[in-house]
Amino acid sequence: NAGVTQTPKFRVLKTGQSMTLLCAQDMNHEYMYWYRQDPGMGLRLIHYSVGEGTTAKGEVPDGYNVSRLKKQNFLLGLESAAPSQTSVYFCASSRQGTGASPLHFGNGTRLTVT
Amino acid sequence: GESVGLHLPTLSVQEGDNSIINCAYSNSASDYFIWYKQESGKGPQFIIDIRSNMDKRQGQRVTVLLNKTVKHLSLQIAATQPGDSAVYFCAEKMGTGRRALTFGSGTRLQVQP
Repeated sequence: NAGVTQTPKFRVLKTGQSMTLLCAQDMNHEYMYWYRQDPGMGLRLIHYSVGEGTTAKGEVPDGYNVSRLKKQNFLLGLESAAPSQTSVYFCASSRQGTGASPLHFGNGTRLTVT
Repeated sequence: GESVGLHLPTLSVQEGDNSIINCAYSNSASDYFIWYKQESGKGPQFIIDIRSNMDKRQGQRVTVLLNKTVKHLSLQIAATQPGDSAVYFCAEKMGTGRRALTFGSGTRLQVQP
């Protein structure tokens, strides 16, 4: 049972480049989330999905897009990377919404934008 | 503003002692709280959660206490082991309908052998 799997683990981008972070979960969870983690700021919610085909904005959505074409996958896209997007990105999933069941996190993608 | 904070950024304890990690919150409408453990290079791992209609909840070697009067949350770890060394985060959900968990900045627990 892999849980939540994120790819890639590390990536370096130049300003203006684009990329997609992949997240897959094998727990049949309805809810999926993308968070970013910066030093001294805890984790902040970027976007989330309450089911296949749905997406919604979180606290810090600017500069990111997401898609949930399949229940098990949640993709995070950066169309034009900026140095401010240097961070560690975590994907999470939960069986029910926040507050009803805990979030299960992947091991993160460390992104550096130069 | 509304925030989740931690009293101590680093806590050092002796192996076998009990650990207490504290967390203050300021939003009285928060109805759900959760503790995560994060080891270096890994994602946050769920430890225990508690809803606002409870004061205490126990798990395996861990206990979470919620004091709504003073808006305080604590995580107690019994018989702390070297494997407990990590950063611990508390998080809150600020009321019905809110999707996001608001995370604190974390406390590093160091277990001395």
